Amino acid sequence: EDQVTQSPEALRLQEGESSSLNCSYTVSGLRGLFWYRQDPGKGPEFLFTLYSAGEEKEKERLKATLTKKESFLHITAPKPEDSATYLCAVRTSGSRLTFGEGTQLTVNP
Amino acid sequence: KAGVTQTPRYLIKTRGQQVTLSCSPISGHRSVSWYQQTPGQGLQFLFEYFSETQRNKGNFPGRFSGRQFSNSRSEMNVSTLELGDSALYLCASSLGQDDSPLHFGNGTRLTVT
Repeated sequence: EDQVTQSPEALRLQEGESSSLNCSYTVSGLRGLFWYRQDPGKGPEFLFTLYSAGEEKEKERLKATLTKKESFLHITAPKPEDSATYLCAVRTSGSRLTFGEGTQLTVNP
Repeated sequence: KAGVTQTPRYLIKTRGQQVTLSCSPISGHRSVSWYQQTPGQGLQFLFEYFSETQRNKGNFPGRFSGRQFSNSRSEMNVSTLELGDSALYLCASSLGQDDSPLHFGNGTRLTVT
């Protein structure tokens, strides 16, 4: 059975304090690892897709990396507007994604 | 480009009733999938429709069903509602290919009393 575990569950940072979120996964055949951002009362917003170990993608202050067993979302010099829940998901077939529980990030000014 | 639109945004129903939720995908997207989000279980896959055919199904009871129309719009139906069905129901659309990301709507918040 596919499993995705995210850590930590919650993370509090000061503005400008860089950190990383972790996503560990166990799947039978990975066809993409996804990162989403979810704000309260809204649906998940797509950030990145990674397909193979060693792949990296960047967007503004966010950088996602992938190994054979885990993915990291690095947040550099975060701002309060980066506060959200970050979700990791793996795809093994079609549009079926298995999600982790998410990391709730709070960035204080 | 308009995003994924879900209606209604909020619903309150009583146990035993049935409910229909609607989803309009991004223009050009042929795949629509549905997810249930609860605080305890997180996001869980319900089913996916592609070109009006169910392509994939999650581990939910038969009370949960869906369909897709020729314009790719989709509906989800839950019959004989239970208290545990209270959740945020999210619809996502994509081009339907393996390298296509899913784009989510803002969901329908269903409360069963």
